[in-house]
Amino acid sequence: NAGVMQNPRHLVRRRGQEARLRCSPMKGHSHVYWYRQLPEEGLKFMVYLQKENIIDESGMPKERFSAEFPKEGPSILRIQQVVRGDSAAYFCASSLLPGNEQFFGPGTRLTVL
Amino acid sequence: GQQVMQIPQYQHVQEGEDFTTYCNSSTTLSNIQWYKQRPGGHPVFLIQLVKSGEVKKQKRLTFQFGEAKKNSSLHITATQTTDVGTYFCAGEVAGANSKLTFGKGITLSVRP
Repeated sequence: NAGVMQNPRHLVRRRGQEARLRCSPMKGHSHVYWYRQLPEEGLKFMVYLQKENIIDESGMPKERFSAEFPKEGPSILRIQQVVRGDSAAYFCASSLLPGNEQFFGPGTRLTVL
Repeated sequence: GQQVMQIPQYQHVQEGEDFTTYCNSSTTLSNIQWYKQRPGGHPVFLIQLVKSGEVKKQKRLTFQFGEAKKNSSLHITATQTTDVGTYFCAGEVAGANSKLTFGKGITLSVRP
């Protein structure tokens, strides 16, 4: 049973470009969470999605950031017009039920030049 | 908003020493979870505590949930170099859409 998969593992973008981060949850999991982690910092919650629905996006910046979890395919975290401050590790996690343990993917390390 | 605090951020111990760290929430939690992240890795679930005063053990690790469900502790007996990493606690508030609020973590280093 494959774990949570994220791609790409590393992504380099220039300021102003778009970044697309993908997350495939564990098989059977329909709850997906995105977190951002800066060096020496904890995990900051961004958004919680369930298939085709955004349940909680209270941690996501209102501008330039969006997330989706379509009926088919992976969850996508999209960052438009990236700035240097967006450089971070972005982790996706999934759970079988809300409130259960979360299984994390390996993360995407985004570097904005 | 809800805050989960872990202080200090770093701790260094000699191999074989015991280690205890604490996690404090500004609000009452429905449950608390602990995760471990190795350098360069991703967080891995360790345990979930749900009941007031609950104590759970995993080999040399002992986890406790406070009576008021606002704090938790992690105790490691006789640390080993394999215990190196960052330990995060994460709290869920009832009715908060199952959102976990993570503390900043405590990074443990173990001198052999």
